[in-house]
Amino acid sequence: QLQLQESGPGLVKPSETLSLTCTVSGGSISSSSYYWGWIRQPPGKGLEWIGSIYYSGSTYYNPSLKSRVTISVDTSKNQFSLKLSSVTAADTAVYYCARRVVIVGAFDIWGQGTMVTVSS
Amino acid sequence: DIQMTQSPSSVSASVGDRVTITCRASQGISSWLAWYQQKPGKAPKLLIYAASSLQSGVPSRFSGSGSGTDFTLTISSLQPEDFATYYCQQANSFLLGFGPGTKVDIK
Repeated sequence: QLQLQESGPGLVKPSETLSLTCTVSGGSISSSSYYWGWIRQPPGKGLEWIGSIYYSGSTYYNPSLKSRVTISVDTSKNQFSLKLSSVTAADTAVYYCARRVVIVGAFDIWGQGTMVTVSS
Repeated sequence: DIQMTQSPSSVSASVGDRVTITCRASQGISSWLAWYQQKPGKAPKLLIYAASSLQSGVPSRFSGSGSGTDFTLTISSLQPEDFATYYCQQANSFLLGFGPGTKVDIK
């Protein structure tokens, strides 16, 4: 069945750019039925939607993060990626990638999550 | 932006209890509402989509209702594996958002 796996550095320095990749296996990222998204969760806190991308490259970002976020898709590699610039300690969180079903709007499949710490 | 609130923020309950969690949207979202369960150290799990549709494989003791701005998640008979945090999520537009969560713990 379809699986998602996040990858990237677990430690990022303040003011630098956080970069994560989500690899989709067991299915195609190019399906018209799904969006692909990033969600994060600071330690002990709730879920925050970061943004979503369609296989065509259309993107939608959380307004509170929009100035610092870029999400891209590589259909040839069945991957999508997150870049978050100018990070601070407030960006320390578990970052999840997930599949969102177009017709119902819900995230039905999630990656296991990856912890990213922002620290010098 | 559409803001989501949940109540209560936490609830203590016993096995077998009926538990109801409420989610409210700051503006109408029709039935574009999902519920998730999250256990410590794990990714969220989709329980309910489109306000009242049960995700495949989810036990029937979970149910959702509501439309517009007010929604509820009900667990009809709480089981030991249901102790977790529950989040609602609106999908009315391309800009998504989650509620702050409701923690269900053991009384």
